[in-house]
Amino acid sequence: EAQVTQNPRYLITVTGKKLTVTCSQNMNHEYMSWYRQDPGLGLRQIYYSMNVEVTDKGDVPEGYKVSRKEKRNFPLILESPSPNQTSLYFCASRIYRDSYNSPLHFGNGTRLTVT
Amino acid sequence: AQKVTQAQTEISVVEKEDVTLDCVYETRDTTYYLFWYKQPPSGELVFLIRRNSFDEQNEISGRYSWNFQKSTSSFNFTITASQVVDSAVYFCALSLFFYNQGGKLIFGQGTELSVKP
Repeated sequence: EAQVTQNPRYLITVTGKKLTVTCSQNMNHEYMSWYRQDPGLGLRQIYYSMNVEVTDKGDVPEGYKVSRKEKRNFPLILESPSPNQTSLYFCASRIYRDSYNSPLHFGNGTRLTVT
Repeated sequence: AQKVTQAQTEISVVEKEDVTLDCVYETRDTTYYLFWYKQPPSGELVFLIRRNSFDEQNEISGRYSWNFQKSTSSFNFTITASQVVDSAVYFCALSLFFYNQGGKLIFGQGTELSVKP
């Protein structure tokens, strides 16, 4: 089954404790992206990747890192989480060719709470 | 600036009522795509429809229909004879053809629809 898999679904952590949210897709998509969803703000892009070893900042990259060593994986790293990073996170992917009209395929989300 | 506005934060209807979710977008680009996504209580994001800027035909899919009007920069979504299973947050989004961020989706704030039995 074609899908984007994120783990974990739920995560509670404390300020400053490094964490990684994993994301993997099995559709051979070139493009992958991370979004965060906050009430009243919709979804905002954190980072995106056009292909392996190619990543770039989205609208709200502060406090996050990503890497794209393999096509299928795009982990989101919070080196020193803070309470304002409490949010619902989504990983997404799509075929790069015709990317502007192709829908994003989203993972099921990771609800992160930082205390 | 590119922007998507969903002015209705929450809508509550009784089952079998028709309901329209509004979406207004802003862009100076002539080529763009518009999307609607559904987020049920379980949290995942489900793609519903896409429409390109050159195709103003309305679309109907079962109880769902979409009305795209470039003149008013709107892409509204109507659910006919709503059902409890339609309860969800609905997002409208804009994707720009020449945008320099790999075709980023710009989302509206979302409209939470509650359909009561």
